[in-house]
Parts: sequence; C-alpha cells; structure tokens
Amino acid sequence: KAGVTQTPRYLIKTRGQQVTLSCSPISGHRSVSWYQQTPGQGLQFLFEYFSETQRNKGNFPGRFSGRQFSNSRSEMNVSTLELGDSALYLCASSFGSNQPQHFGDGTRLSIL
Amino acid sequence: AQSVTQLDSQVPVFEEAPVELRCNYSSSVSVYLFWYVQYPNQGLQLLLKYLSGSTLVKGINGFEAEFNKSQTSFHLRKPSVHISDTAEYFCAVSDDGATNKLIFGTGTLLAVQP
Repeated sequence: KAGVTQTPRYLIKTRGQQVTLSCSPISGHRSVSWYQQTPGQGLQFLFEYFSETQRNKGNFPGRFSGRQFSNSRSEMNVSTLELGDSALYLCASSFGSNQPQHFGDGTRLSIL
Repeated sequence: AQSVTQLDSQVPVFEEAPVELRCNYSSSVSVYLFWYVQYPNQGLQLLLKYLSGSTLVKGINGFEAEFNKSQTSFHLRKPSVHISDTAEYFCAVSDDGATNKLIFGTGTLLAVQP
C-alpha cells in the first residue's frame, strides 16, 4: 500500500512569488491535514480537509490556502511568499477523525 | 487552549540503557494522545496512540507509554535503546473529537551513544 506522497520534495522560491504544494493521501483516506515545521515554531497545524471541505484551520494568515479534490488529493498554496515561510511542509492523511495520521516526507520550501 | 510540554529538548543515553521521554499536556478534558518519531529528512512516523481504555499503551519498535490523567502526562519509555533509535520524538494531543488537528510538543532529540 503506497504511503502519503508529497511533491515536490524541495522547492526554492523568491520573496513575493507564490507556490503550490501537492499531497496524495493513502488510498481510501478522506482526511488530509497540513502542518508547517520550522526550527523556531516547531510543528504547527495549518488546516484539514475532509471530503473536499475544510473542517479546521490553524492560526495562519490568509496567504495560506488549500483545497481538496474529489479523489482526496490535496494542494496547499502560499501567495506573496515571505522569508519566514521557509519551512518543511508536511501532509498527513487518515481514514477518519482521531484515527492514526500517516505523514508524507514533506516538501522543503526555501525562500531567497 | 490545549498545549503540550516536552521538557527535555535533548536526551543523551548509552546503547542498551533504558530511556524515558517526558510529555505533559494541559487539558483536563478528554484527550487523544500520540507519540511520533522523525528521522532526518523524513516525515513523522506514528509510534503509539492513546484513544481510550488501558492506560499502558504499547507501540512499535519496543516503545510504550503510560497515560496518567491525574498528572496529565503521557511519558514514552523503552527498556533498552539501540543506536537506530536516535531521532526526534514528538508528543501530540488532540482534544477535538470532530477533526484531526494535532497540537505538537517541541520535540525531544534522543541521542543514543555507543
């Protein structure tokens, strides 16, 4: 059974640009959550999608957005990139609520 | 708001010695507790979880944790560590039964020395 796949693994952008990250969950999983990991702030919850609906959102500015498609694949978008957006972005999928979440290896975003 | 405290940022230990990684959470309401491990350049891997039932939870790779409601703790233990256990360990809590939002601790680096 394939795990959670995140693409790309590495990304370099400059300030002011926008970026889209992709996450393919484990087959059959309907919940996809996104987290930001930085040395200073640690792991922080961005948002969760379930059956194409956002059902929880963390404390991030509106520049961070996401969506989920009918096949449960999810994308997150960050607009007007700032240096502080440099981080490892992790995606996790699960079958339902409070079920074990399975994480991908992340996308490492570097802002120059 | 819910919070998780991992008091030890780094725990050095010799190979084959026992180890305990500490985790305390803030909420007294029903919670779901998790321990994850992160190896370099990888995502998080679930070690074990507490949803309900027995307070002693066994996980993968010989790890176990005990849920203590009165002390709001969920410490992770292993009786004998290996070099390959060197990694970052994260405690996480969810008190929202309707979603999968996890609140993570700051992590503990377990450094196993030969």
